[in-house]
Amino acid sequence: GAVVSQHPSRVICKSGTSVKIECRSLDFQATTMFWYRQFPKKSLMLMATSNEGSKATYEQGVEKDKFLINHASLTLSTLTVTSAHPEDSSFYICSAGGAGQNEKLFFGSGTQLSVL
Amino acid sequence: DQQVKQNSPSLSVQEGRISILNCDYTNSMFDYFLWYKKYPAEGPTFLISISSIKDKNEDGRFTVFLNKSAKHLSLHIVPSQPGDSAVYFCAASVGGNTPLVFGKGTRLSVIA
Repeated sequence: GAVVSQHPSRVICKSGTSVKIECRSLDFQATTMFWYRQFPKKSLMLMATSNEGSKATYEQGVEKDKFLINHASLTLSTLTVTSAHPEDSSFYICSAGGAGQNEKLFFGSGTQLSVL
Repeated sequence: DQQVKQNSPSLSVQEGRISILNCDYTNSMFDYFLWYKKYPAEGPTFLISISSIKDKNEDGRFTVFLNKSAKHLSLHIVPSQPGDSAVYFCAASVGGNTPLVFGKGTRLSVIA
């Protein structure tokens, strides 16, 4: 089946630094990728929709200047958490569904971000 | 406003018995439903799905039932195995390559 690779799997950083998370579709082209965030004991919350070659679409309440999304190619989307703070600590997951994959999105393995 | 609801945060089942996980939705535009399984610190993995034109889909030990009139679906796992212990997310889609709407998940514990 289709594979989505997410890197890194775990990041510990100091408050104020920026962290970049990569999401790659390995065997299909993904014109659209989605970024989710999960808080403990909460659902997966959609943060933004990343569109190849255009600006990302952010969900209400998500700061676009804090969570920078770049989808420069059909196989790579990046999420950069800028000037991270402890409240940004969370589990971030990307997903992608290429042409023909229909609703069956494939998920990356997630990135656990801990901001000290 | 939660469009996909999983009202049971946790469920414990004995090994070999049936696990039934429930999910309710409010948006009548949803036409595709999926179940994902998630282990701690890992991304969700796809388990089984069902289109709104069907009322049942079976794949091995997993069966999903859809009751459109009640806006309810359920996932049956039989027989349950300890390796099934995970958080199960119900998700729904309005179709096409659109983001999924997830429920809050149900933590299943299968006791040996």
